[in-house]
Amino acid sequence: KQEVTQIPAALSVPEGENLVLNCSFTDSAIYNLQWFRQDPGKGLTSLLLIQSSQREQTSGRLNASLDKSSGRSTLYIAASQPGDSATYLCAVKGQGGSEKLVFGKGTKLTVNP
Amino acid sequence: NAGVTQTPKFRILKIGQSMTLQCTQDMNHNYMYWYRQDPGMGLKLIYYSVGAGITDKGEVPNGYNVSRSTTEDFPLRLELAAPSQTSVYFCASSYLKDYGYTFGSGTRLTVV
Repeated sequence: KQEVTQIPAALSVPEGENLVLNCSFTDSAIYNLQWFRQDPGKGLTSLLLIQSSQREQTSGRLNASLDKSSGRSTLYIAASQPGDSATYLCAVKGQGGSEKLVFGKGTKLTVNP
Repeated sequence: NAGVTQTPKFRILKIGQSMTLQCTQDMNHNYMYWYRQDPGMGLKLIYYSVGAGITDKGEVPNGYNVSRSTTEDFPLRLELAAPSQTSVYFCASSYLKDYGYTFGSGTRLTVV
């Protein structure tokens, strides 16, 4: 059974700092890994999608890496801003017939001005 | 494109009442999903569909039903609401199973 863990559960940083969010998963047989952002009381916004054959994806100040063999992904946020404050969710889509996108419980990020 | 649209955004139900949560997507996605999100528990898959006329159970299907008569619509039905169904419900879609997901903005349901 696929399990996704995100560490830390919460993170508070000063504005301008570069930071890394971690995601680990137990089964390396995946189609892809997706990072989402969720603002309080809102839906999920897709940030980056990494296919299993890829090593990283970049969008603006965000860079996500994938090491499938070790079951790890990181989301790097450069020059953090208060507007980056949100919960960041990692989710993996497994192979083997299951249609389930398995989510971690998220990292709640607070960027202080 | 509107993406994935969910209605209503908020609803309060009494125990034993029924309701349908609506989900519509305009991206011609084949796959559609219903998740529920509970505090500290992450998102759990309720039901999913791989195309019109085809649905299947996820992790937590008890107390829910779905149908998929068109590619665009994937309603979720609660027949006899229970307090345990108090949650935030998200609908999502993807073009194929190994494509990224697009989520709706959610329905916050309270059963009292």
